[in-house]
Amino acid sequence: SQQGEEDPQALSIQEGENATMNCSYKTSINNLQWYRQNSGRGLVHLILIRSNEREKHSGRLRVTLDTSKKSSSLLITASRAADTASYFCATDDGGYNKLIFGAGTRLAVHP
Amino acid sequence: DTGVSQDPRHKITKRGQNVTFRCDPISEHNRLYWYRQTLGQGPEFLTYFQNEAQLEKSRLLSDRFSAERPKGSFSTLEIQRTEQGDSAMYLCASSSGSFDEQYFGPGTRLTVT
Repeated sequence: SQQGEEDPQALSIQEGENATMNCSYKTSINNLQWYRQNSGRGLVHLILIRSNEREKHSGRLRVTLDTSKKSSSLLITASRAADTASYFCATDDGGYNKLIFGAGTRLAVHP
Repeated sequence: DTGVSQDPRHKITKRGQNVTFRCDPISEHNRLYWYRQTLGQGPEFLTYFQNEAQLEKSRLLSDRFSAERPKGSFSTLEIQRTEQGDSAMYLCASSSGSFDEQYFGPGTRLTVT
C-alpha cells in the first residue's frame, strides 16, 4: 500500500501563478523527498526535508513539513510552462531501505 | 554524465521470454534500489542493495524476478518467463547513505506483448 497521498491529483494553472501541492503520509518518517517526473521519463530529485525541519527552500521551491499532522506541502512560485510534470512525495517508513511514493499530482502550466 | 544510467531504455518482448536490465549507479554511492512504476502510479519498491548485499526484497518481487549487484557496482534485474502484467517502467536509484537523497535513472520501459 502507498504511504503518501498527494492532493490534488491534478492541477491546472497559468504561467506566473503559484502552484501548491500537498502530501499526507501515515507512519513516522526520517525524511520526506519531493520528485518531479516529466511524461515517460525518470524522476528528478527536487528537495529533501528531514523530520526535524519545518521548512526548506530551493530556488522557486518551498517545502514545509508538519510531522504532527503527517503532512507536507510543495509550493512552486512564479510557475513556468516547463514546470508541467507530475510531482511525487516520497517517504521512508521510519526505516532506511526504501522510499514509499504516492500517486502524484499532475501539474499543467499553461503559457 | 555522472548520474544513474540504465540500459536499455526500452524493451519489447513476447510473453514467456526472459529479459535483463542493467543499472549503473552514481560511482560513489553504495546503496542501490530498484522500483517499478505502472501508468498513473508512483514508483513501488522492489529491492535494495548495500554494496553487493541484497538486504531487502518486496513481496512484489516474485520468484521470476532476480537481482544482482556483483562487486557492489552495477546491478542487473532479470525477469524470467515474462507476463503481460510485468509491463511497466523499471527504475533504478542510488544513494550514498541511509537517509540521503535517492537519485533515479531514466528508467527502462518494458512492454510484454
